[in-house]
Amino acid sequence: KNQVEQSPQSLIILEGKNCTLQCNYTVSPFSNLRWYKQDTGRGPVSLTIMTFSENTKSNGRYTATLDADTKQSSLHITASQLSDSASYICVVSAKGGATNKLIFGTGTLLAVQP
Amino acid sequence: DAGITQSPRHKVTETGTPVTLRCHQTENHRYMYWYRQDPGHGLRLIHYSYGVKDTDKGEVSDGYSVSRSKTEDFLLTLESATSSQTSVYFCAISSETYNEQFFGPGTRLTVL
Repeated sequence: KNQVEQSPQSLIILEGKNCTLQCNYTVSPFSNLRWYKQDTGRGPVSLTIMTFSENTKSNGRYTATLDADTKQSSLHITASQLSDSASYICVVSAKGGATNKLIFGTGTLLAVQP
Repeated sequence: DAGITQSPRHKVTETGTPVTLRCHQTENHRYMYWYRQDPGHGLRLIHYSYGVKDTDKGEVSDGYSVSRSKTEDFLLTLESATSSQTSVYFCAISSETYNEQFFGPGTRLTVL
């Protein structure tokens, strides 16, 4: 069964600190892996998309890594800001016929405190 | 929100009534999707469209129907709303299925 699991479920950090969110997946055949940020009351916004051949991808203070062999990904946030408080969702795209299918994790809820 | 609007943004309705949610895009993307988001679940695909009048079911399509008469509009209909359909509904668009999906702001639906 295709699954995406994220850890931790929630996390509280102090402003300025770094943190790392984890994503493990069992999705086949793999197409790409995405990280989304979802602010409260809003739709998800894409942070990164990585294909099989990409090990790391950055978007400002966000750096995602992908280990396709172990089927693990991480999202590292550097020098956190209050605006980083959000849910971070790992999404894996599976190849399938005419259309790819997205499998969503349940997200990690991050709270950045002053 | 990448040229995507959803209406209404909030709705409260009673069990058994029909409800239609609208998604409108200005990006001319081919693919449009309807998802629901519930606590403890990842976003789940209800239906999607790959062109005008071309739609297909997602993993949680029971109780929902969709229509796409124009490229820019994708409608989600609950023929007879039930309390289990209380959720936040998101519309998304993409140019290709393997490309990035852009999400709308969501519609919070409460069925009493």
